[in-house]
Amino acid sequence: AQSVAQPEDQVNVAEGNPLTVKCTYSVSGNPYLFWYVQYPNRGLQFLLKYITGDNLVKGSYGFEAEFNKSQTSFHLKKPSALVSDSALYFCAVRDESSYKLIFGSGTRLLVRP
Amino acid sequence: GAGVSQTPSNKVTEKGKYVELRCDPISGHTALYWYRQSLGQGPEFLIYFQGTGAADDSGLPNDRFFAVRPEGSVSTLKIQRTERGDSAVYLCASSLSSGSTEQFFGPGTRLTVL
Repeated sequence: AQSVAQPEDQVNVAEGNPLTVKCTYSVSGNPYLFWYVQYPNRGLQFLLKYITGDNLVKGSYGFEAEFNKSQTSFHLKKPSALVSDSALYFCAVRDESSYKLIFGSGTRLLVRP
Repeated sequence: GAGVSQTPSNKVTEKGKYVELRCDPISGHTALYWYRQSLGQGPEFLIYFQGTGAADDSGLPNDRFFAVRPEGSVSTLKIQRTERGDSAVYLCASSLSSGSTEQFFGPGTRLTVL
């Protein structure tokens, strides 16, 4: 069965510092991995995806994520956090034979000025 | 261009009532998905349409839930005999085709069952 784990309910970081939001996954086949961000009272916004190729994926708003097959991880990173990055972040996975996304429980990112 | 839209944005109903939630996908997108997001949780898959047909309804929790997409565009999620446990945000997403990897989400409908 497919599953996603986001071990941190909340991540706190000071503005200007690097941030990491963790995600590990389990799928039976090749994984398609995604990060979405959710602002209050708004829908999910796509940040980035890994399908194949380079393990380091760059996405919107300066975010990037690194696919690590041996550790089954897809951690979200940003070199320098902004207060406006404060939001709820979801990692999601699907395998290549399925169309439905399996989401983690979400990690709330708080960037303090 | 316009994104995925969902109406109503909020729906309050009483236990036992029937509700319909509407989703307008991005124009030209053939694949449409419904998810449900309970408080403090990530979205959970309900049903997926390719065109007019439901290709995968394995996430529908029981037979009180039903969804249609008669013309391959707008979709309606229907819930009969609502229960308090149905309270959640119902999210709709669309993608260009079933093979497209990126799903675009609407703002959701917040359903509250009193």
